[in-house]
Amino acid sequence: GDSVTQMEGPVTLSEEAFLTINCTYTATGYPSLFWYVQYPGEGLQLLLKATKADDKGSNKGFEATYRKETTSFHLEKGSVQVSDSAVYFCALSESPGTASKLTFGTGTRLQVTL
Amino acid sequence: KAGVTQTPRYLIKTRGQQVTLSCSPISGHRSVSWYQQTPGQGLQFLFEYFSETQRNKGNFPGRFSGRQFSNSRSEMNVSTLELGDSALYLCASSGGLAGRSEQFFGPGTRLTVL
Repeated sequence: GDSVTQMEGPVTLSEEAFLTINCTYTATGYPSLFWYVQYPGEGLQLLLKATKADDKGSNKGFEATYRKETTSFHLEKGSVQVSDSAVYFCALSESPGTASKLTFGTGTRLQVTL
Repeated sequence: KAGVTQTPRYLIKTRGQQVTLSCSPISGHRSVSWYQQTPGQGLQFLFEYFSETQRNKGNFPGRFSGRQFSNSRSEMNVSTLELGDSALYLCASSGGLAGRSEQFFGPGTRLTVL
């Protein structure tokens, strides 16, 4: 079945450091890929998405590129802020035409310090 | 536009009881999905409803059930509660139509089973 593998956390960085969170996937079809963020005590917020190979999703300084050849969707940000501290989830959806039935990775906790 | 709302936000039950959780999707959205989030298993898909019909189902026992009403509001029911059902239950809505639309999550209902 489908699966998503994320790098283990927690990741601790100083403010303005470069961030990379690795994500690889296994899917039988041609999935859509997503990054969600969860702040303490809240639900999930969509951070960015990509629906086909070589698509680059971007939002709030975060970027991820859909790499079909390496089945990866790594999240990057050039300069993190304390306010980026949260848990980040990589996810995929194989449902054609919709984003239902998301398969999530285990999440990576990011802690940014001054 | 109001976001996805879930009620109640917190719930405490004892083993053997049953519980009903409610989710109101974003206005105009016809698809509602439910997820269970636990520290051990992460985020797992429960089921999805579209236009009052269950469209997708995850691998959960029959004690977990749901329904959707004509106004797209959805309820999830768990019968004969077990300690392991303690979790954050997240509801997500999407347009449900073709086009790889993303899911928008509510804040969740935190269920504690004693």
